[in-house]
Amino acid sequence: GNSVTQMEGPVTLSEEAFLTINCTYTATGYPSLFWYVQYPGEGLQLLLKATKADDKGSNKGFEATYRKETTSFHLEKGSVQVSDSAVYFCALRSNYKLTFGKGTLLTVNP
Amino acid sequence: DVKVTQSSRYLVKRTGEKVFLECVQDMDHENMFWYRQDPGLGLRLIYFSYDVKMKEKGDIPEGYSVSREKKERFSLILESASTNQTSMYLCASSFHRGRDNEQFFGPGTRLTVL
Repeated sequence: GNSVTQMEGPVTLSEEAFLTINCTYTATGYPSLFWYVQYPGEGLQLLLKATKADDKGSNKGFEATYRKETTSFHLEKGSVQVSDSAVYFCALRSNYKLTFGKGTLLTVNP
Repeated sequence: DVKVTQSSRYLVKRTGEKVFLECVQDMDHENMFWYRQDPGLGLRLIYFSYDVKMKEKGDIPEGYSVSREKKERFSLILESASTNQTSMYLCASSFHRGRDNEQFFGPGTRLTVL
């Protein structure tokens, strides 16, 4: 079956540091890939997505590239802010169902 | 503005009670989903529905049932609540067609079963 593995947290960074959260997947066919973010006390919001190999999703300074050869979709941001503190979920979509990773808690200190 | 609403943010129930969690979306989406979120486990799909009165089991349907009588409303039912059903429950919806339809999530209901 489909599965998503993302790096375990928590991750603690200082403001303006570089962020990488690793995500790899196992799936049949050609899934779409997503990063969702959950701010404290809220539901999930779509952060970015990519639908085919070599696509790069980007939003709010975050980027991730769909790498079919390494089955990866790592999330990066060049300079994090305190307001980026949240839980980040990597997910893949096959048919219309999402399979999520376990989530990575990011805390950014001023 | 896209909206998925859930009937309660916090709910406390006793073991053995019948519990209803309600979700409403105003986007005319065909698909609706119920997930539970637990620390260290991420989100796991309980049930989903792709049309009125249609439902399919997700990965962890045991102990739950669902109802979809109207397109905009999807209910999760715990027939006899147990302490291991204490969790955060998230509802989501999406269009049915299209390869990369975004799922929109509600704010969640934190259920505690005593």
